[in-house]
Amino acid sequence: GDSVTQMEGPVTLSEEAFLTINCTYTATGYPSLFWYVQYPGEGLQLLLKATKADDKGSNKGFEATYRKETTSFHLEKGSVQVSDSAVYFCALRNTGGFKTIFGAGTRLFVKA
Amino acid sequence: DTAVSQTPKYLVTQMGNDKSIKCEQNLGHDTMYWYKQDSKKFLKIMFSYNNKELIINETVPNRFSPKSPDKAHLNLHINSLELGDSAVYFCASSQVRTGVYEQYFGPGTRLTVT
Repeated sequence: GDSVTQMEGPVTLSEEAFLTINCTYTATGYPSLFWYVQYPGEGLQLLLKATKADDKGSNKGFEATYRKETTSFHLEKGSVQVSDSAVYFCALRNTGGFKTIFGAGTRLFVKA
Repeated sequence: DTAVSQTPKYLVTQMGNDKSIKCEQNLGHDTMYWYKQDSKKFLKIMFSYNNKELIINETVPNRFSPKSPDKAHLNLHINSLELGDSAVYFCASSQVRTGVYEQYFGPGTRLTVT
């Protein structure tokens, strides 16, 4: 079945450091890929998405590119801020499916 | 104006009690979900309704019963609460019919069973 694997956390960075959170997936067909972010005490919210191979999703300085050849959707940001401290979830949704498959989440701590 | 709302935000109760959590979305979406998030932040799908029809029913104890009175509401009733039911429960919605798969989440209900 479909699955998502993301790097274990926590990831601890200093402010202005470069961020990469790895995500790989297994799926039949052509899924849509997502990154969601969960700030402390809140629900998940969509950060960015990509619906087909080679698409790049971007939002708030975060980027991720849909790589079908490596089945990956790594999240990157060039310069993190303390306010980026949160849990990040990679997810996929297959065409016609009702279920979104979430990764286990990666907690990010950014120190001032 | 809140897109997906849940009540209550916090729920503290004793083992054996019955409780309900309510969810409402004002986005006009056709599909709603219940998720359980454990203390390690792992998110598990429990149920999903599409146009008031149950379409996802994961391996969940039958003490949990969802009910969707209309497309904008999805409630979760839990009977005979157990310690292991303590978690944060999230409601979410999406518009599957138009192929927009991103989900909108509520703020969560933190359930503590003592």
